Amino acid sequence: AQSVSQHNHHVILSEAASLELGCNYSYGGTVNLFWYVQYPGQHLQLLLKYFSGDPLVKGIKGFEAEFIKSKFSFNLRKPSVQWSDTAEYFCAVNDDSSNTGKLIFGQGTTLQVKP
Amino acid sequence: GAGVSQSPSNKVTEKGKDVELRCDPISGHTALYWYRQSLGQGLEFLIYFQGNSAPDKSGLPSDRFSAERTGGSVSTLTIQRTQQEDSAVYLCASSPRRWETQYFGPGTRLLVL
Repeated sequence: AQSVSQHNHHVILSEAASLELGCNYSYGGTVNLFWYVQYPGQHLQLLLKYFSGDPLVKGIKGFEAEFIKSKFSFNLRKPSVQWSDTAEYFCAVNDDSSNTGKLIFGQGTTLQVKP
Repeated sequence: GAGVSQSPSNKVTEKGKDVELRCDPISGHTALYWYRQSLGQGLEFLIYFQGNSAPDKSGLPSDRFSAERTGGSVSTLTIQRTQQEDSAVYLCASSPRRWETQYFGPGTRLLVL
């Protein structure tokens, strides 16, 4: 079965620091990759996605992620975080084996940005 | 436009009672998914609907869990004889078709006492 691993469970940064959150997945075939964000008290929102094409994808609020097929990775980056980026971040992959498009999620990373 | 809505937003019930959770997907979305978010287990897939049929129920944790979808729209997740371990946030997501971006609702927070 596919799995998704997020390396950092809890990250604390000061405003203006750079962010990189790691994500690795287990499946070797064609994948669709996603980063979702859950702000405090809000529902899951899509940050960015990769389906095909340019492996460097840009999302909302200045976030970007790079798909590296050889490393089975899809790390999330932001050059300069803001206090409002405090949230929980989830990496996810479509489970291709089931042919349903269901998502397999990582355990999530809680980001706390200090003002 | 309107997003995915779920009701109730919170539900407190006693162990052994049945509960029904409702999901209204985005209009026109044929694919509908239920997930569960709990401490220690993260986000887990429960069931997938394509139209009114459920070709993948592999994530339902026991036969106490069932779901249906009617009219290719509203879906109901039913948990019978609730147990304390059923306490979690139940999330619904819809997408125009499978494999496309899933849009999530706000969830129903279920607490079983």
